[in-house]
Amino acid sequence: DTGVSQDPRHKITKRGQNVTFRCDPISEHNRLYWYRQTLGQGPEFLTYFQNEAQLEKSRLLSDRFSAERPKGSFSTLEIQRTEQGDSAMYLCASSYGTMGTEAFFGQGTRLTVV
Amino acid sequence: AQSVTQLGSHVSVSEGALVLLRCNYSSSVPPYLFWYVQYPNQGLQLLLKYTSAATLVKGINGFEAEFKKSETSFHLTKPSAHMSDAAEYFCAVLNAGGTSYGKLTFGQGTILTVHP
Repeated sequence: DTGVSQDPRHKITKRGQNVTFRCDPISEHNRLYWYRQTLGQGPEFLTYFQNEAQLEKSRLLSDRFSAERPKGSFSTLEIQRTEQGDSAMYLCASSYGTMGTEAFFGQGTRLTVV
Repeated sequence: AQSVTQLGSHVSVSEGALVLLRCNYSSSVPPYLFWYVQYPNQGLQLLLKYTSAATLVKGINGFEAEFKKSETSFHLTKPSAHMSDAAEYFCAVLNAGGTSYGKLTFGQGTILTVHP
């Protein structure tokens, strides 16, 4: 298993454009999380899937953000009408099993909105 | 609500010296606690975790952490720093219930610099 995979690693986009990121979790991991990390800060929770069900969305996730996890496998995070404040590292993590099982993180997608 | 506070945004040590990174948590239930390390432009890698078994937890790369309930602390230590330890370190607490099951709340991070 190659771990959690995120694509692309880097994305530069103009303000107002839409972007979509993909996350492939470790196979058989039923939980998938998206976090956002801005410079000098710890990761902040955005949203969480258990299988294909999106169980929680943070207040950080405005209406311009949408996430999906069709069939409980890979997940996509879309940002519409990007703003400069969306510039950040977007991290995906997955986990499986009983409480206390650690989450495994991907390498992240670095978004720069110009 | 659970929270984590990391004392000291920057820590600088000499190679071979003791590393001590401080973390205090707030949780209404017995916590699950984690330390992650992040290298520049990389994701997070798990160093160690506390899940209510032994209070002294050993992790990778010679790091260990001690859970102290009375002090609500989970400080990370390493007896002898190596140049390769230079990175940013995050302490995190796991949400143990409800619809946020498994969600991590992170501290602000501590950047460790190791001098030759």
